Amino acid sequence: DAGVTQSPTHLIKTRGQQVTLRCSPKSGHDTVSWYQQALGQGPQFIFQYYEEEERQRGNFPDRFSGHQFPNYSSELNVNALLLGDSALYLCASSLGQGVVRNQPQHFGDGTRLSIL
Amino acid sequence: ILNVEQSPQSLHVQEGDSTNFTCSFPSSNFYALHWYRWETAKSPEALFVMTLNGDEKKKGRISATLNTKEGYSYLYIKGSQPEDSATYLCALNTGGFKTIFGAGTRLFVKA
Repeated sequence: DAGVTQSPTHLIKTRGQQVTLRCSPKSGHDTVSWYQQALGQGPQFIFQYYEEEERQRGNFPDRFSGHQFPNYSSELNVNALLLGDSALYLCASSLGQGVVRNQPQHFGDGTRLSIL
Repeated sequence: ILNVEQSPQSLHVQEGDSTNFTCSFPSSNFYALHWYRWETAKSPEALFVMTLNGDEKKKGRISATLNTKEGYSYLYIKGSQPEDSATYLCALNTGGFKTIFGAGTRLFVKA
């Protein structure tokens, strides 16, 4: 039973560039959430995708965008990278049939993004 | 802005010690509380989901309690082992699809 997989594991970019991170949810899951974890902080909610739509968004600028594909996999895109975007980006999956609030999420290992 | 606070930030204990830490949240915004364990170089792993005031959950040597009226949850580890060393995260859901995480308590268990 495949868990949540994320790629790439590590990525180094420079300011102003664009990046795409990828996530495949756990088998059977249809909902994907993305989080940013900066040093010393807990994961911060970026957005959640269900049925190929963004259904809730956290306090992140429009430079952060996403997509969910028919097979439930998801991408996180960040444009015009800033030094402050350096962080661990986590993807989490769950079943989204309106009851995700009290279901545990299954996390991937994350993508470590470094901005130079 | 809703804040989920965890204390202490870090904790060093000896093998065999029992320990506990706290997660505090606004009591007026509660729907569900999640606890996760995050070992170094691994992904966060779900421990408990708690929804009712007075809930108590147990998994082996780890247990958790919930007080939604005063806005806190305690996580207890009985007889800590080196393999319990990890960051313990709590996360609040307020009824939408967003989950708000605390900064975590980093536990170090020395053999």
